[in-house]
Amino acid sequence: SQTIHQWPATLVQPVGSPLSLECTVEGTSNPNLYWYRQAAGRGLQLLFYSVGIGQISSEVPQNLSASRPQDRQFILSSKKLLLSDSGFYLCAWSADLITGELFFGEGSRLTVL
Amino acid sequence: SQKIEQNSEALNIQEGKTATLTCNYTNYSPAYLQWYRQDPGRGPVFLLLIRENEKEKRKERLKVTFDTTLKQSLFHITASQPADSATYLCPGGSDSWGKFQFGAGTQVVVTP
Repeated sequence: SQTIHQWPATLVQPVGSPLSLECTVEGTSNPNLYWYRQAAGRGLQLLFYSVGIGQISSEVPQNLSASRPQDRQFILSSKKLLLSDSGFYLCAWSADLITGELFFGEGSRLTVL
Repeated sequence: SQKIEQNSEALNIQEGKTATLTCNYTNYSPAYLQWYRQDPGRGPVFLLLIRENEKEKRKERLKVTFDTTLKQSLFHITASQPADSATYLCPGGSDSWGKFQFGAGTQVVVTP
């Protein structure tokens, strides 16, 4: 069966520090991968999606970047965090790009101080 | 801009009753809709998908309807249980690809 893992689960970072969140999917090949952010009491905001290795599309101009170095690995990064980067980050995958249900990871809660 | 509107107020309901949630779509016509459940501090979990040519979809105690004329989806939880307490999300997708638009969701609280 397919599983998705992301880490770390929680982190507290100072403003201006770098960030790296990792996500891996097991049990499937060539998944579509997504990074979402959820601010407190708000909906999910799509940040990046990827349909293949090295293929990254950005949805919102921001202080973040994403990379997909391997088929089932998706990384969210920042060189310098801002206070506004705080939130709950969710990685997800789908098999069908058009209508496929999204399978979400456990989430990473980032607090920037 | 494209918007998904859900009732921002929590829905408080007594155990055993039917909970009905509404999703309204503004400035776009999704070809399909999905419903997810999200528990606090967790990622959303997929529940149901309904396409524009389907009027109704059921899964156990869950029922979803899709009115393309009203651009509205209704989500029903029958015989609700305290374990159904969660936030429910209704992203819509377009024909082109799975660029899901999520709203803030509606919180459901089922009391014994």
